[in-house]
Amino acid sequence: NAGVTQTPKFRVLKTGQSMTLLCAQDMNHEYMYWYRQDPGMGLRLIHYSVGEGTTAKGEVPDGYNVSRLKKQNFLLGLESAAPSQTSVYFCASSYAGLYEQYFGPGTRLTVT
Amino acid sequence: GNSVTQMEGPVTLSEEAFLTINCTYTATGYPSLFWYVQYPGEGLQLLLKATKADDKGSNKGFEATYRKETTSFHLEKGSVQVSDSAVYFCALGPLMDSSYKLIFGSGTRLLVRP
Repeated sequence: NAGVTQTPKFRVLKTGQSMTLLCAQDMNHEYMYWYRQDPGMGLRLIHYSVGEGTTAKGEVPDGYNVSRLKKQNFLLGLESAAPSQTSVYFCASSYAGLYEQYFGPGTRLTVT
Repeated sequence: GNSVTQMEGPVTLSEEAFLTINCTYTATGYPSLFWYVQYPGEGLQLLLKATKADDKGSNKGFEATYRKETTSFHLEKGSVQVSDSAVYFCALGPLMDSSYKLIFGSGTRLLVRP
């Protein structure tokens, strides 16, 4: 039981490049979330999903897209990376809305 | 609105010292309150939680009491260890909208020296 895993752990991009971050959970959770963590700020919700095939915007969705084609996977895409997207990205999942959220180890992304 | 304010770090203590990390909140409704811990190189882990006023959450020697009158949820531990060095996040939620998201404070780094 791996819990929540994230790929990759680190990445450096140049401005304008694209990439996809993968989150996978093996707990059969319905809800999945993408947060970003910036210095001096708490985690902020980018996008979330309440089930396979569904996605919705969070607080800071601009510049990101997501997909949840399979229940266990939640992908976060950056189509044209900007330096403002330099951050640590955390994925989380929960059984349902009112249940505990479990977090992955994070992806540290630097955009130069 | 909903927000969480934590004391700025880093907090540096000697082993066996008493720890307090302050957390205050503003909230609409009656959310649960949480403390998450992030050890170096790892994701956030739930440390403890309290679901209603006057509840005390506890785990691994850490405690926090949900104080509605002072809108606070301060984290305490009587005797810290080097292994407690980590970043601690206070959070409230889940919000009763479609996301059930959590609102996090900015985190407080704790460094415990031998």
